[in-house]
Amino acid sequence: DAMVIQNPRYQVTQFGKPVTLSCSQTLNHNVMYWYQQKSSQAPKLLFHYYDKDFNNEADTPDNFQSRRPNTSFCFLDIRSPGLGDAAMYLCATSRDWGTGSQPQHFGDGTRLSIL
Amino acid sequence: QQQVKQSPQSLIVQKGGISIINCAYENTAFDYFPWYQQFPGKGPALLIAIRPDVSEKKEGRFTISFNKSAKQFSLHIMDSQPGDSATYFCAAWGGATNKLIFGTGTLLAVQP
Repeated sequence: DAMVIQNPRYQVTQFGKPVTLSCSQTLNHNVMYWYQQKSSQAPKLLFHYYDKDFNNEADTPDNFQSRRPNTSFCFLDIRSPGLGDAAMYLCATSRDWGTGSQPQHFGDGTRLSIL
Repeated sequence: QQQVKQSPQSLIVQKGGISIINCAYENTAFDYFPWYQQFPGKGPALLIAIRPDVSEKKEGRFTISFNKSAKQFSLHIMDSQPGDSATYFCAAWGGATNKLIFGTGTLLAVQP
């Protein structure tokens, strides 16, 4: 009964080769988030979608893009992965925006390795 | 002002003991304070959360104590078990940015 599902769990790509990570949710939540988490660090928010409205964090590199074709699915595209992009990528959802709509529900992440 | 400071960075507790993790914040606009538990290779899972209108919340062996005037909150794990060994993140939500601000995490090891 997983609610936020990320695929694949492990992804290996080559330096500079585009890669796409996917996330799906069965919660019918309006907001979907993408976080980057490096070893022994807290998750770092990259961007979020409120419905179809995309919101980028100011310090998210242009190399990272996202698509949300419908309520259930969201994709993270890394156009030209560098060695520094090796990390765990976490997808999360929340029912809506604002305090009353918390908490966020996280998937188990995709571990991205760059060769 | 947007930071959440978490301590200790790591903690070793004997089975059956009490684990205590502390967090402090500056932004008085924060109005939701969750704790997440993360096992290796897994995503963070919500453990327990509190809003600033209460001073304590208990769920099973897990208790949040909240001190609004001191802008501090803490997680207490009673009767700690080896299965509690994980990384714990406090977080805060609210304020102008309206996003979840995480603490730096505490790696808890419960020894049998």
